[in-house]
Amino acid sequence: NAGVMQNPRHLVRRRGQEARLRCSPMKGHSHVYWYRQLPEEGLKFMVYLQKENIIDESGMPKERFSAEFPKEGPSILRIQQVVRGDSAAYFCASSPGEGASNQPQHFGDGTRLSIL
Amino acid sequence: AQSVTQPDIHITVSEGASLELRCNYSYGATPYLFWYVQSPGQGLQLLLKYFSGDTLVQGIKGFEAEFKRSQSSFNLRKPSVHWSDAAEYFCAVGDYGGATNKLIFGTGTLLAVQP
Repeated sequence: NAGVMQNPRHLVRRRGQEARLRCSPMKGHSHVYWYRQLPEEGLKFMVYLQKENIIDESGMPKERFSAEFPKEGPSILRIQQVVRGDSAAYFCASSPGEGASNQPQHFGDGTRLSIL
Repeated sequence: AQSVTQPDIHITVSEGASLELRCNYSYGATPYLFWYVQSPGQGLQLLLKYFSGDTLVQGIKGFEAEFKRSQSSFNLRKPSVHWSDAAEYFCAVGDYGGATNKLIFGTGTLLAVQP
């Protein structure tokens, strides 16, 4: 099953550490999206990337958060100097490159980040 | 601004009963609308989508949804609920204005199914 693969599924960090979340899109998909789900809330858009380009980062916090989608390898969401408020589930989604606006996004199972 | 409202936070239905989950959206143009389902500890699975055409959309697992432009609604329905349908359901609208291509989600409706 070549679905969207996220790892790790669970990640525990202490305050001040760095968290790296990985996402491999579905085979043939070149568009990647990251969403954050806080407890008791829906998913909130963070960033939209194509290979080697950030297209829309309007949902990313201004500091400590960054994302990349290199030519080779998975997309990475990086959170530096984590704080308790970063505890959440982070979901990655992907869609095909062609006609992306008419294609639904397919989601991974998420990474549950816990900050001690 | 674009938004999605799911007015029901929790719903409990009996197995075999019919189900309707409400979704209202605010979007300036013709919306692309989606329903996703999330089981505990899992990602989101697409149930159905509306882009254009027939306003009654059929999805997987026996679900359907009806787009009503006059009411800005996209309610999800199922005629007979199964215990395995217990999950959280999210309505979303696609925001494809400009260079973006993101989904705007409602806060979800948690469905419990009584035996």
